[in-house]
Amino acid sequence: SSELTQDPAVSVALGQTVRITCQGDSLRSYYASWYQQKPGQAPVLVIYGKNNRPSGIPDRFSGSSSGNTASLTITGAQAEDEADYYCNSRDSSGNSVVFGGGTKLTVL
Amino acid sequence: EVQLVESGGGLVQPGGSLRLSCAASGFTFSSYEMNWVRQAPGKGLEWVSYISSSGSTIYYADSVKGRFTISRDNAKNSLYLQMNSLRAEDTAVYYCARALPAAHPFPYYFDYWGQGTLVTVSS
Repeated sequence: SSELTQDPAVSVALGQTVRITCQGDSLRSYYASWYQQKPGQAPVLVIYGKNNRPSGIPDRFSGSSSGNTASLTITGAQAEDEADYYCNSRDSSGNSVVFGGGTKLTVL
Repeated sequence: EVQLVESGGGLVQPGGSLRLSCAASGFTFSSYEMNWVRQAPGKGLEWVSYISSSGSTIYYADSVKGRFTISRDNAKNSLYLQMNSLRAEDTAVYYCARALPAAHPFPYYFDYWGQGTLVTVSS
């Protein structure tokens, strides 16, 4: 079982703001990173560290963290943001990497 | 342009072996830590293994420890995953993923991924 917990599904109206969360004890020690995966494609890194976006990722994607919870916020969701989103971090022992179970985002 | 291209997947019987390869290009492979991540059909992502840039430090997920071996050949810009004693639950798309350099060892931000290679374990 995953040590990082995500809601299985979230929906957002086009143009609105949505927050996707990731909970786990390891997040008290490590930042999460976030990945977007569309059907049949490889994951894409969208947020890492405290709140860093790789080159090419729109600034409507942002990250934050508090206690044992990391969040990915999409401000002004677009149709192309519909995808599965995964968080990851180190596990509590520090010797392996864990992924959350993923959140399916639907843009209405 | 950074490229990671996996190969070696296929159909194998339970208990069998398979060797995956990942050919890297577009960056200085020997400077980057690398990982294998897998995804069972219709399921989420699962980290499998990590190898440091020199190959001196290696970690495995508990689910594959003792059965899988990660290695790299920096002269050939290639990453490998030797998979033995395969089980049905190892059926997945296997991705190689580059780790974004960080100030701490064993970084877990994966900035580039290959397109994956499908491994099917079935009789």
